[in-house]
Amino acid sequence: DAGVIQSPRHEVTEMGQEVTLRCKPISGHDYLFWYRQTMMRGLELLIYFNNNVPIDDSGMPEDRFSAKMPNASFSTLKIQPSEPRDSAVYFCASRDQGIRTDTQYFGPGTRLTVL
Amino acid sequence: GDSVTQMEGPVTLSEEAFLTINCTYTATGYPSLFWYVQYPGEGLQLLLKATKADDKGSNKGFEATYRKETTSFHLEKGSVQVSDSAVYFCALIKGGKLIFGQGTELSVKP
Repeated sequence: DAGVIQSPRHEVTEMGQEVTLRCKPISGHDYLFWYRQTMMRGLELLIYFNNNVPIDDSGMPEDRFSAKMPNASFSTLKIQPSEPRDSAVYFCASRDQGIRTDTQYFGPGTRLTVL
Repeated sequence: GDSVTQMEGPVTLSEEAFLTINCTYTATGYPSLFWYVQYPGEGLQLLLKATKADDKGSNKGFEATYRKETTSFHLEKGSVQVSDSAVYFCALIKGGKLIFGQGTELSVKP
């Protein structure tokens, strides 16, 4: 299995620019999660989808952040405009919908630096 | 609300030492509990899990037992290796969402 794939692995941008992070979940998984990891706040859940539908976006910090899942094999997290405080590692994770399968599988992350 | 608390790091040990990383949780009901590990520059990987009270999860020499009476899920390993150096996260799952502790960095010296 290829696992969860994220791109790019590293992104450096300037304040005010639009940033798009991409995720391909494991084939057949019904849930997709976006997390942000910082030294100050640890791991935070931003949003998650079930069958391509956003279920809980209460962790999205503000309107500058948006996430979409146009199909079962692709999701994006967009920040527009970006700010230095958005610098973090962003992880995507997916899991199967089975009742006894609650394990999330994480991608390698995208390290975002906003100058 | 539901939460997970881990012992603060960093934890520095010599190779072959015994490891304990404490984890306690606050939750309604009996959620599944997890330990995830994050090696430098990588994403999180599931290390082990337990789904009900008194269950013991184990993997790669690591163990943790779901203790309902003390609301704990402490991670242990009898003999650590340099390759175990990583950040370890305790977590519970509630409503489909993982709630993580703050992570404990482990550094093992040869």
